[in-house]
Amino acid sequence: DGGITQSPKYLFRKEGQNVTLSCEQNLNHDAMYWYRQDPGQGLRLIYYSQIVNDFQKGDIAEGYSVSREKKESFPLTVTSAQKNPTAFYLCASRLRSGSYEQYFGPGTRLTVT
Amino acid sequence: GESVGLHLPTLSVQEGDNSIINCAYSNSASDYFIWYKQESGKGPQFIIDIRSNMDKRQGQRVTVLLNKTVKHLSLQIAATQPGDSAVYFCAENTWRGGSYIPTFGRGTSLIVHP
Repeated sequence: DGGITQSPKYLFRKEGQNVTLSCEQNLNHDAMYWYRQDPGQGLRLIYYSQIVNDFQKGDIAEGYSVSREKKESFPLTVTSAQKNPTAFYLCASRLRSGSYEQYFGPGTRLTVT
Repeated sequence: GESVGLHLPTLSVQEGDNSIINCAYSNSASDYFIWYKQESGKGPQFIIDIRSNMDKRQGQRVTVLLNKTVKHLSLQIAATQPGDSAVYFCAENTWRGGSYIPTFGRGTSLIVHP
C-alpha cells in the first residue's frame, strides 16, 4: 500500500518549543515538498528537496528547517522563531521527471499556544 | 476536519448540474497547470493537468480550459455529484532552480446540494 504518511494528525505545543513533523513516502519519489495551509488561503511552499542531502527554501522558509538524509523521509522542524506556527502542514512528493503530479499526505494540524 | 473552506469563494450547485470553477494565474511563463481537489481534513488529490501548449483537456467528467491570453484556467465538472463537494485548487508550475515549482491559488469551495 504505497503512499505518503504524516504523523501525528494533530499536534499541540507550547510557544517557544521546537517541534518536528514527520513525512515518509514509499513511492520511490525523488522530490519532496512541505506546504503550509491557513484558512481561506492556498498552499504556500516552505521547503522542497529534489534529491537526498539537498533542499531549497520555498516562499516562506523563515522559522522552519528541514533535512533529507533518506529518500523516503523529509521531516520539518517548526522552530520557536516561526512567529505564527499554528497551521495545517502538508507534505507532498513527486517523481523528479515524467509526471508533474504531486502526491499529498493527509496533513498535520499544529496548534501552538 | 480542517476548515480550509473558510472565507473562500464558494460555488453552490444542485446535484446533476454542471459546475465551472475559475482560476486566474499570475505568471505568463508557467509551463503547466494542475487542478487539485481537497476534501475536509485531507490532503489535496490530483484531478487533471494541462500543459501551456494546449487549450483544452478532458478527463472523466472533467474538462480543463486554458486561456493564456488572459491567464485564466477553468475546471468544468459534468453532472456534479454530492461527492464532488470539496475545495478545488489550481496550481501553476514554473521552472525555477532546476525544478517545476507550483504556486497554488486560494481555492474555491464547491457545495453540491442533493
